[in-house]
Amino acid sequence: AQSVSQHNHHVILSEAASLELGCNYSYGGTVNLFWYVQYPGQHLQLLLKYFSGDPLVKGIKGFEAEFIKSKFSFNLRKPSVQWSDTAEYFCAATGSGTYKYIFGTGTRLKVLA
Amino acid sequence: DTEVTQTPKHLVMGMTNKKSLKCEQHMGHRAMYWYKQKAKKPPELMFVYSYEKLSINESVPSRFSPECPNSSLLNLHLHALQPEDSALYLCASSQAGGTLSSYNEQFFGPGTRLTVL
Repeated sequence: AQSVSQHNHHVILSEAASLELGCNYSYGGTVNLFWYVQYPGQHLQLLLKYFSGDPLVKGIKGFEAEFIKSKFSFNLRKPSVQWSDTAEYFCAATGSGTYKYIFGTGTRLKVLA
Repeated sequence: DTEVTQTPKHLVMGMTNKKSLKCEQHMGHRAMYWYKQKAKKPPELMFVYSYEKLSINESVPSRFSPECPNSSLLNLHLHALQPEDSALYLCASSQAGGTLSSYNEQFFGPGTRLTVL
């Protein structure tokens, strides 16, 4: 069955700490992967996406993610978080030729000033 | 223009009311989506329209009725809702058709926060 797992449900960090949020997927065939962020009271915004090619993907606001096919993972990283990164982060997967996203359950990040 | 707009931002309705949510995009996308999102949960897909035809209905109760009058507009008609239907309703759009991966990126609107009394 297709699924996306985010094992960190709540993460609390101090400003300037490094961030890594886990995302593992189970998906048959070619997979496309996304990280979305939802700031408090705001809509989902795309942070970055992986379709093919370089497995290290750079996104907006200093975020990056690495696609590791052998580990079925697409972890999100940021070297130094800011208070403004406080938000909910969702990993999502889909495949070519389908409209359906499979979302992870989300990780709530709180950054302490 | 890479924006998906939704109106209204907030809606409060009684269980006997009929109301509609509206979504609009001008990116030339031919796939449009309705999602329901409860607090602290990921979005749940409700409907997908592709080229103005209903492509996916995720077994949504008939009190939710989608409509796609043209390639830029998507409506969600609401009737006889229950309090448990209170949620954030998100609209999204993407390119449609083919197997190119770039077609899969969905652009989300800000949502309508619905409260059913």
